[in-house]
Amino acid sequence: DAGITQSPRYKITETGRQVTLMCHQTWSHSYMFWYRQDLGHGLRLIYYSAAADITDKGEVPDGYVVSRSKTENFPLTLESATRSQTSVYFCASSDKGRGTNEKLFFGSGTQLSVL
Amino acid sequence: KQEVTQIPAALSVPEGENLVLNCSFTDSAIYNLQWFRQDPGKGLTSLLLIQSSQREQTSGRLNASLDKSSGRSTLYIAASQPGDSATYLCAVNGANNLFFGTGTRLTVIP
Repeated sequence: DAGITQSPRYKITETGRQVTLMCHQTWSHSYMFWYRQDLGHGLRLIYYSAAADITDKGEVPDGYVVSRSKTENFPLTLESATRSQTSVYFCASSDKGRGTNEKLFFGSGTQLSVL
Repeated sequence: KQEVTQIPAALSVPEGENLVLNCSFTDSAIYNLQWFRQDPGKGLTSLLLIQSSQREQTSGRLNASLDKSSGRSTLYIAASQPGDSATYLCAVNGANNLFFGTGTRLTVIP
């Protein structure tokens, strides 16, 4: 019962570098999400995906890129990292429209520091 | 834009006490509402999900209610235990986005 896994758990990078955060789920959930969690802002949606090859912007998409070539993977890329992108990033999945599976299941998070 | 508020931001109670956490939201056109628990340095764990057509959901010592017309939800925790200490977040589901509150940090004192 692997569930949803994120990697790396911690990442330190420098301003201007490209960084990719990985997310993998084993439930074949159709929906996947990327959130960032910052003090004072709570969780904010960056991007989401309703199915493979279907992605859409959330509340704070600028500076991020996503792809979803396979149902189980949903990587998040920071094309040119900035200090304001220092945050804890959470990936989540759900199976909307399927009763209790509509619950959102979260990974353990990636703590990213941009120096 | 949906605004979700949780008050108080922090709460300390002695073990065994019953308690209520509050969540309010500004747009009543919601799909469902979820309550989550977050332990320090960890991800979020879904506790209860209430569909917009429902009034409440129960799981063990937890009971969540929803009053969509007034934009309010409560999470009732019975007979609190030290292991209940965590941050509790509510999230309101619109069309394709969950709007989260900033949470209530609960401490249950043995």
